[in-house]
Amino acid sequence: EAQVTQNPRYLITVTGKKLTVTCSQNMNHEYMSWYRQDPGLGLRQIYYSMNVEVTDKGDVPEGYKVSRKEKRNFPLILESPSPNQTSLYFCASSSFQLIEAFFGQGTRLTVV
Amino acid sequence: DQQVKQNSPSLSVQEGRISILNCDYTNSMFDYFLWYKKYPAEGPTFLISISSIKDKNEDGRFTVFLNKSAKHLSLHIVPSQPGDSAVYFCALGRDDKIIFGKGTRLHILP
Repeated sequence: EAQVTQNPRYLITVTGKKLTVTCSQNMNHEYMSWYRQDPGLGLRQIYYSMNVEVTDKGDVPEGYKVSRKEKRNFPLILESPSPNQTSLYFCASSSFQLIEAFFGQGTRLTVV
Repeated sequence: DQQVKQNSPSLSVQEGRISILNCDYTNSMFDYFLWYKKYPAEGPTFLISISSIKDKNEDGRFTVFLNKSAKHLSLHIVPSQPGDSAVYFCALGRDDKIIFGKGTRLHILP
């Protein structure tokens, strides 16, 4: 079954404690991306990757890091989380033309 | 600067009637116009798209219309069904990114 898997689904952490949210896809997609969804703001792109070892900033990259060492994985790293990063995060993957992106189920992060 | 605007945060439609969701955009440098649907506790799922060279695309009960001169996109759902109750995101796509609107919550009334 084609899918994008994010872990964990829910996470509560404290300010400053480094965390990683994993994302894996099984569709051999070149393109992967991270979004955050906040009330009244919709989905905003954090980082994206066009292929292995190729990453670039989206619209709201501050406070986040990513890596793309393998085609199937695209982890999101928060080196020093802050309360303003409390949000619902989605990972997505797509073939090159980006017409249809597949999303993971989301990770609800709370930073206290 | 909001490039994709969905001006109606919510919309209520009677079951069996037509639902029309609207979207305006400011940036013309995109190749595809997309609609995604999202249920609570799930990720968005792709619904339908239209290329910038077309003005209409149909898929079953769903039709997307593109008016490039007005920079306006709309999604028609007919007939509306209870399972259509969800948040609908309009999006613009090209080869390096997808930009989403803030979404419209559609309620289908029995």
